[in-house]
Amino acid sequence: ETGVTQTPRHLVMGMTNKKSLKCEQHLGHNAMYWYKQSAKKPLELMFVYSLEERVENNSVPSRFSPECPNSSHLFLHLHTLQPEDSALYLCASSHGLAGGGEQYFGPGTRLTVT
Amino acid sequence: GESVGLHLPTLSVQEGDNSIINCAYSNSASDYFIWYKQESGKGPQFIIDIRSNMDKRQGQRVTVLLNKTVKHLSLQIAATQPGDSAVYFCAENIGGGSTLGRLYFGRGTQLTVWP
Repeated sequence: ETGVTQTPRHLVMGMTNKKSLKCEQHLGHNAMYWYKQSAKKPLELMFVYSLEERVENNSVPSRFSPECPNSSHLFLHLHTLQPEDSALYLCASSHGLAGGGEQYFGPGTRLTVT
Repeated sequence: GESVGLHLPTLSVQEGDNSIINCAYSNSASDYFIWYKQESGKGPQFIIDIRSNMDKRQGQRVTVLLNKTVKHLSLQIAATQPGDSAVYFCAENIGGGSTLGRLYFGRGTQLTVWP
């Protein structure tokens, strides 16, 4: 266990559905991240939050909407997704942002869009 | 664009042998590198890191070598075990005092250990 949990672990949704992914970290970190991992592609950084403030949105379509209500929780709200959005969505956290540093990953949510 | 890559997408080794996984990067400003291991059904797990002011760093059964001249990073695993079978990613941080903890990941190498 890395101290980062994600729910659900698997999700199947239609293109017209609305769903949310949840991430929780129990490490006392103040930075949290969403990544997308597709087959045969490198991990793609989607969003970065530091102290509950979004500091980076890496050109992610608006059908993905992040929310960080506090430093321990991170959500990714999904609506009107496309089949190409099917992927493993990983959450990570770290002590801070400055100078990089180890990011702790959750197990991911395997999303399938039908 | 992607600045971190791996030389081989797959690597097969016999149990007990040493494994070497390579990684190339293109950004001279990268000052911090991490190796992650990802087992099937799990998220990436930290293995070892190294800062650009070092050439070598050792952990338990793992060694990371950094050659800044040719922008090359390698992960050496000693006495490879079946439990080492996983996808290994290198990641770089283009820091230099940047306030963004942005890691660029390579595509990964699938390591398979056979008895």
